[in-house]
Amino acid sequence: AQKVTQAQTEISVVEKEDVTLDCVYETRDTTYYLFWYKQPPSGELVFLIRRNSFDEQNEISGRYSWNFQKSTSSFNFTITASQVVDSAVYFCALSEAGANSKLTFGKGITLSVRP
Amino acid sequence: GAVVSQHPSRVICKSGTSVKIECRSLDFQATTMFWYRQFPKKSLMLMATSNEGSKATYEQGVEKDKFLINHASLTLSTLTVTSAHPEDSSFYICSASPILAGVGDEQFFGPGTRLTVL
Repeated sequence: AQKVTQAQTEISVVEKEDVTLDCVYETRDTTYYLFWYKQPPSGELVFLIRRNSFDEQNEISGRYSWNFQKSTSSFNFTITASQVVDSAVYFCALSEAGANSKLTFGKGITLSVRP
Repeated sequence: GAVVSQHPSRVICKSGTSVKIECRSLDFQATTMFWYRQFPKKSLMLMATSNEGSKATYEQGVEKDKFLINHASLTLSTLTVTSAHPEDSSFYICSASPILAGVGDEQFFGPGTRLTVL
């Protein structure tokens, strides 16, 4: 069975600090997909990134970067120079190839960025 | 971009009544829609997978007679919470997978419906 662990529950940083959100996953499949979503206070999920299991290249998008390490089953997310607008709950999720795209979410990390 | 709407966004009802929540894909067709439930400060838990024209597949522990799901068209799925009780109060979120989506492709999420049962 698939599982996503986000060990950090709450993180508080001061604006402009860098912050890394950890995600560790478990799956028996060799083909799978990893996602990060942002959930601001409004509640709507905002898609950030999707990565398939065969693509271990790290990705950078503006202030966001992701580090995918199959050897440690981790898919960590770093926000550089954090801003108050980054305050939200961040979810890591996993979808297995044979699971009809069902998503298994981690418990989420509440990020608070203070001015 | 692909847009999914949910209606209503917020509903308050009395215990014992039934509540219907609609999930619509506005600019694409979706063969598969998913219903999630989220308790305050908790993660999203998949309740069921809804396929157009067939019965929904419920996750273990989800009462199918309590949470009725209908996916009558390629753009609409409904979740009806029957005989709602205070413990059913939650944030319900749907997502839709486009008709040509491959496995692992992005699902598009609705804005959620906050249900409060008094």
